[in-house]
Amino acid sequence: EAQVTQNPRYLITVTGKKLTVTCSQNMNHEYMSWYRQDPGLGLRQIYYSMNVEVTDKGDVPEGYKVSRKEKRNFPLILESPSPNQTSLYFCASSLGRRKGRNTEAFFGQGTRLTVV
Amino acid sequence: DAKTTQPPSMDCAEGRAANLPCNHSTISGNEYVYWYRQIHSQGPQYIIHGLKNNETNEMASLIITEDRKSSTLILPHATLRDTAVYYCIVRYAGGTSYGKLTFGQGTILTVHP
Repeated sequence: EAQVTQNPRYLITVTGKKLTVTCSQNMNHEYMSWYRQDPGLGLRQIYYSMNVEVTDKGDVPEGYKVSRKEKRNFPLILESPSPNQTSLYFCASSLGRRKGRNTEAFFGQGTRLTVV
Repeated sequence: DAKTTQPPSMDCAEGRAANLPCNHSTISGNEYVYWYRQIHSQGPQYIIHGLKNNETNEMASLIITEDRKSSTLILPHATLRDTAVYYCIVRYAGGTSYGKLTFGQGTILTVHP
């Protein structure tokens, strides 16, 4: 089954304790990205990757890191989490551009992170 | 990407067609209209997209006006499981941010028994 898998689904952590949220897709997609969703602010892109070893900042990258060493994996790293990073996080993947048009994105089930 | 305007909420009776409007009056010629939905707090789910012509798939139909300034998503026979937030998104096909989705506030569709 084609899917994007995020882990963990729920996480409560303390300020300053480094954490990693994993994301894996089994569709051989080139493009992957991370979003956070907050009440009243909607979904906002944090980082994206157009292919292996190619990453770039989205709209709200501060406090986050990513890596893309393999095509299927795109982990989100919070080196020193703070309470303002409490949010619902989604990983997404897509084929990227084909014949001049964008392709649809597939989203993971989300990771609800609470930083206390 | 062009800005979109959607009503904040809509209701629909189960079994009836749900027609969700979207205004995108500043859309440019190479921008596509995409629809996604988000059920409760799950990951957004792709529904359909189009450029100029009307489109239909197993989930829905997309009607785009001739001037492309607005569109309507049609769920032909809404069920309770279609209760969700529906997002209309306009995306540019080129550039380096081609994969980015800019979500607005969407329309909360509530399907009633």
